[in-house]
Amino acid sequence: EDQVTQSPEALRLQEGESSSLNCSYTVSGLRGLFWYRQDPGKGPEFLFTLYSAGEEKEKERLKATLTKKESFLHITAPKPEDSATYLCAVQFRGTYKYIFGTGTRLKVLA
Amino acid sequence: DAGVTQSPTHLIKTRGQQVTLRCSPKSGHDTVSWYQQALGQGPQFIFQYYEEEERQRGNFPDRFSGHQFPNYSSELNVNALLLGDSALYLCASSFEQGYDTGELFFGEGSRLTVL
Repeated sequence: EDQVTQSPEALRLQEGESSSLNCSYTVSGLRGLFWYRQDPGKGPEFLFTLYSAGEEKEKERLKATLTKKESFLHITAPKPEDSATYLCAVQFRGTYKYIFGTGTRLKVLA
Repeated sequence: DAGVTQSPTHLIKTRGQQVTLRCSPKSGHDTVSWYQQALGQGPQFIFQYYEEEERQRGNFPDRFSGHQFPNYSSELNVNALLLGDSALYLCASSFEQGYDTGELFFGEGSRLTVL
């Protein structure tokens, strides 16, 4: 069965302390891998799309990378406003379904 | 420009009842997907509507049904509610041709509690 696994489940960082979140998948025939941010009580907000191994995308303090079986979301010098749940999702070819992981809850302390 | 709007935001039902949730997509979007998000979990795909037809369905029983109207708005209906149906129900809209970009716009969801 196609699965998406995110780690760690939760992460606490000091402001300015860089780290990485992981998303691994067993989907065969990957069409795209997507990162979303979700704040409490809100719907997910789109961040990045990655299509092929070696691809990288950046936005402010966030950088997403993709290998054949996993993706990393690197957070450089995070700020308290980066605190949120970060969700990874994959879409495989021939389907419209996005399969989401359970997310990583990030807390950045001032 | 209004984003995706969902109603109601919160509702409480009892087991066996029926519920209808509503979604208005972002202006210009023609594709609507519904997701169920249990507490502490990622969203799970229920189904997607395009051109007023259910285009794909996830692993949800027939108690879950939907509809898309000519103005692209959508409804999610759940019959014979179970305690396990308690969750945040998210609507996501996109352009059909942009669907593979991953850029779904989500509403803030309808929080359903089944007692």
